[in-house]
Amino acid sequence: DTEVTQTPKHLVMGMTNKKSLKCEQHMGHRAMYWYKQKAKKPPELMFVYSYEKLSINESVPSRFSPECPNSSLLNLHLHALQPEDSALYLCASSQEEGVIHNEQFFGPGTRLTVL
Amino acid sequence: KQEVTQIPAALSVPEGENLVLNCSFTDSAIYNLQWFRQDPGKGLTSLLLIQSSQREQTSGRLNASLDKSSGRSTLYIAASQPGDSATYLCAPGGYGQNFVFGPGTRLSVLP
Repeated sequence: DTEVTQTPKHLVMGMTNKKSLKCEQHMGHRAMYWYKQKAKKPPELMFVYSYEKLSINESVPSRFSPECPNSSLLNLHLHALQPEDSALYLCASSQEEGVIHNEQFFGPGTRLTVL
Repeated sequence: KQEVTQIPAALSVPEGENLVLNCSFTDSAIYNLQWFRQDPGKGLTSLLLIQSSQREQTSGRLNASLDKSSGRSTLYIAASQPGDSATYLCAPGGYGQNFVFGPGTRLSVLP
C-alpha cells in the first residue's frame, strides 16, 4: 500500500480562523513533507520531518505551524492566513530523508481558500 | 542552488505517438531523480525513480534515462494514450537538499 491520505479535501477559511490540515501514511516511512502548490506552478517545499523531528523549514511564515505527533501523522496548523496563502497543500512521505532510494509518495492534497 | 527546467512546456499529440519529455538540472551532485505525473487539481503520482548509479528505469510504456554528468533526464512514453494526458514533473534529489521540481510539461494526447 503506497497511500498517503489527507483531510480535508477542501477548506475555506477566513483570515482570523484557526484550522488544521492532516496527513497520514501507514507505509512505515520516517520522512514526511509539506508542499505548497499554486496554480500552474510546481510544488514548493515547506517543511520536512525526519524521524518525527523537524528537519527543514524553508523560511515559512509562522502563521503555518507543522506538527508530527507520531511517525504516521503530520499536521499543518493554520492561523491568521492571508488570501495569497490560498493554494493546494500537498503532503508526501518517503522511507528516509536524503537517501539514494528516497522515493516520495504524495497525498491527493487539500485545496485551501482564504477569504 | 539546484535549478530545473523542462522542455517542452506543453505538447499536444495524436494518440499512438511515441514521446520524449526532457528535464535539465544545473547541479549534477544528485543521488536520484524522480518523475511524477499530476492530473489537474490532484496530487502527484510517482512514475519512476532513477538512482544516481542507474542509467535508466522502465515501467510499462514508460522509460526514463539519467545522464547525471550532463544534468539531463528524459522520459520516453511509448504508444501514447488519451489517459496519459497530464502534467509531467521531474525532481532531482541532491545531497543535503530535498527534491526540487521542474515547472512541468503539460501533455495532451488527442483521440
